[in-house]
Amino acid sequence: QQQVKQSPQSLIVQKGGISIINCAYENTAFDYFPWYQQFPGKGPALLIAIRPDVSEKKEGRFTISFNKSAKQFSLHIMDSQPGDSATYFCAASRSGNNRKLIWGLGTSLAVNP
Amino acid sequence: ETGVTQTPRHLVMGMTNKKSLKCEQHLGHNAMYWYKQSAKKPLELMFVYSLEERVENNSVPSRFSPECPNSSHLFLHLHTLQPEDSALYLCASSQEFGGAREQYFGPGTRLTVT
Repeated sequence: QQQVKQSPQSLIVQKGGISIINCAYENTAFDYFPWYQQFPGKGPALLIAIRPDVSEKKEGRFTISFNKSAKQFSLHIMDSQPGDSATYFCAASRSGNNRKLIWGLGTSLAVNP
Repeated sequence: ETGVTQTPRHLVMGMTNKKSLKCEQHLGHNAMYWYKQSAKKPLELMFVYSLEERVENNSVPSRFSPECPNSSHLFLHLHTLQPEDSALYLCASSQEFGGAREQYFGPGTRLTVT
């Protein structure tokens, strides 16, 4: 049973467009929701994260929107650039010690110049 | 660079071989992780070490054997692997083992079992 469902599996966006990746979770005990970015030949790296006490968090061109009642969160990349082409993973966890991250399947984003 | 290094970067081994993957972190972290990354599957957490003690072992076959001699080094010993074990093996570290702790990943070892 997949606890964190991520969509779409792949996404193609034109330069300057908005990229949107969605995730849904099932466990209402989750209270930490990060997004990781992975470039080819590299490991994932934390991009941005949110906790359920806020509905939105923005860092530069990257925004997480969080809908607690729907148990969904999404990543928006504004003014997408070719350098944003990567695989994006959402994840979820309960905070506190000895809690592991539950990962989505990943979204492969290609931004065309 | 993330401060987490992995060697080798690529490894081809036969099903009867024995090999080891090495991970080293230069971040002063107390927790280290092994993940398996396969196409079309979520990242699979294999093992977690916190302060050099194994705290998580997610039903990983015994042909994978981890070792954490100190808080900076982590090994994954491999023997009699199967072709389905071919994958990218990622090492990560974090300040402590906790869900909200940022994990820093190495570049991975691409393993091919023939």
